Amino acid sequence: ETGVTQTPRHLVMGMTNKKSLKCEQHLGHNAMYWYKQSAKKPLELMFVYNFKEQTENNSVPSRFSPECPNSSHLFLHLHTLQPEDSALYLCASSSRDRAYEQYFGPGTRLTVT
Amino acid sequence: DAKTTQPNSMESNEEEPVHLPCNHSTISGTDYIHWYRQLPSQGPEYVIHGLTSNVNNRMASLAIAEDRKSSTLILHRATLRDAAVYYCIDFISGAGSYQLTFGKGTKLSVIP
Repeated sequence: ETGVTQTPRHLVMGMTNKKSLKCEQHLGHNAMYWYKQSAKKPLELMFVYNFKEQTENNSVPSRFSPECPNSSHLFLHLHTLQPEDSALYLCASSSRDRAYEQYFGPGTRLTVT
Repeated sequence: DAKTTQPNSMESNEEEPVHLPCNHSTISGTDYIHWYRQLPSQGPEYVIHGLTSNVNNRMASLAIAEDRKSSTLILHRATLRDAAVYYCIDFISGAGSYQLTFGKGTKLSVIP
């Protein structure tokens, strides 16, 4: 059983909506990640947080806005998305000194209509 | 672009060994080789990693070629639960940055 939980598991939203994805880890890790998995592309890293500080933003459009209030919680705020943003959004966490061993949540399946 | 290449798919019979190959001809001398897998409807999970010598853990074994340009993930007895997409991964680390670069992986089917 994963120690990383994500809510909601499924989300359908219109292009004008604002919604947020939530991730929580119970593993005592201090690094958290957002990934996007589309049907036609490999898994892509979006954001990295180390000790609540964003250390990586892989050219992600501003309609995706991450927030990391503490080392256990990570949010992805969504606004004015496009249909091509429909994908599986995965959260992961790791300890900083074992960043190669990331623990993933089950993901949020997002559909933008 | 991912620096690793893997076959798109493989099949195995249940309870037989499976050898999943990966080529990483441009890997640097200090980069570790990592493997993850993704079961259906789940997020990826870490399997194993190694640098030069062969590695074993409860999930699998990793055989690394002497020249480090290729490696093989070995599942000693495939079960139906091992049906998944297996990723051989380039791991990039730097000051404050830790990135797993996923490719398309190998989809393993296990036949009962």
